[in-house]
Amino acid sequence: QSVLTQPPSTSGTPGQRVTISCSGNTSNIGTNYAYWYQQFPGTAPKRLIFRNDQRPSGVPDRFSGSKSGTSASLVISGLRSEDEADYYCAAWDDSLSGWVFGGGTKLTVL
Amino acid sequence: QITLKESGPTLVKPTQTLTLTCTVSGFSLRSNGVGVGWIRQPPGKAPEWLTLIYWDDDKRYSPSLRSRLTVTKDTSKDQVVLTLTNMAPVDTATYYCVRIKYGPENWGQGILVTVSS
Repeated sequence: QSVLTQPPSTSGTPGQRVTISCSGNTSNIGTNYAYWYQQFPGTAPKRLIFRNDQRPSGVPDRFSGSKSGTSASLVISGLRSEDEADYYCAAWDDSLSGWVFGGGTKLTVL
Repeated sequence: QITLKESGPTLVKPTQTLTLTCTVSGFSLRSNGVGVGWIRQPPGKAPEWLTLIYWDDDKRYSPSLRSRLTVTKDTSKDQVVLTLTNMAPVDTATYYCVRIKYGPENWGQGILVTVSS
């Protein structure tokens, strides 16, 4: 049971816009920044979004993040086949004094 | 270029102690605000944070594994070492070493550790 809650799966067709949600509480997302990671099979997670809505250099602007209260969202616009991957949210948790992750969302591009 | 590389055994027996080494390059373990953490991911499951050591030697541990975990660093060797005692099959996972500044930022390639007799 992950501390952060994500939908297990989502899907979309090329060109569509998809949103992945991440629900936490006042100890993590409600107080601290949210982060998003993309992971392909057999590879390490790659940081997509940091500090709620910041994109590292090299990450396409099709990926955007936001936070409201104790929840965060990742939006992928103009969906492409190469976006098919697992997506994880993360945040620092003040109660646990550590990092917590969501259970992950598997994105399928139909 | 920042890189992190995990090394250690890929197969351990139940009850044994796991020792993994993370060798970093492209940044200093003394850099203000920087930490190096360990995150593991069981096959088909989500990442799980284990431990973190900061530039000033402050350490944090996952509450659920605190009694089994130790993290240390050797700045002269650019290495961070994880030990996890009393290994069990449920500890089978890919173990990642991660540079943490603005969140878990740079990840090593990971090392798959299997616990089996």
